[in-house]
Amino acid sequence: GEDVEQSLFLSVREGDSSVINCTYTDSSSTYLYWYKQEPGAGLQLLTYIFSNMDMKQDQRLTVLLNKKDKHLSLRIADTQTGDSAIYFCAEASGFNKFYFGSGTKLNVKP
Amino acid sequence: DAGVTQSPTHLIKTRGQQVTLRCSPISGHKSVSWYQQVLGQGPQFIFQYYEKEERGRGNFPDRFSARQFPNYSSELNVNALLLGDSALYLCASSRTVGDSNQPQHFGDGTRLSIL
Repeated sequence: GEDVEQSLFLSVREGDSSVINCTYTDSSSTYLYWYKQEPGAGLQLLTYIFSNMDMKQDQRLTVLLNKKDKHLSLRIADTQTGDSAIYFCAEASGFNKFYFGSGTKLNVKP
Repeated sequence: DAGVTQSPTHLIKTRGQQVTLRCSPISGHKSVSWYQQVLGQGPQFIFQYYEKEERGRGNFPDRFSARQFPNYSSELNVNALLLGDSALYLCASSRTVGDSNQPQHFGDGTRLSIL
């Protein structure tokens, strides 16, 4: 079955860049997504990338995709304390079924 | 436009009881999916419905069932509740299915606690 893996924790200082990594196994994945979850809330869609793209930039967010290695990363430039949250990588294949990683908890120190 | 709305926000039940959770999708969205998120883990896919038909089912026991109504809202039912069913239940909607380029938009979930 599909397997999505992420590192559990990342700690950065305010103003630095954050890079959150994700690996996936399903080579038929067509879209890969990043979601943000704040305490007590649902998942907020941040960005997504089609599998035939290498990079996508959206304001402070940059997504890099290495399809050969099945590796996805999310870079947050100029990280702010408000970016502290859990970030989930998800792959989608077939009838829009999403498979999520366990999430990376980002802690931003002032 | 309103986002995905779920009710209730919190629920406390005891083992063996039954529960019904409700979800209203974003206006114009015809697909609803349900996920279970246990504390400390990512969401796990339970069901997907599109045009009132089940289009996908995750690895959950038959105690879990769902349906979608003509207005595209949905209910998730769980029978014979177990302690392990304690989780955040998330509903997500998207415009269609079949194309993975349809982002799923999530509600804030229902926090279910089993005593």
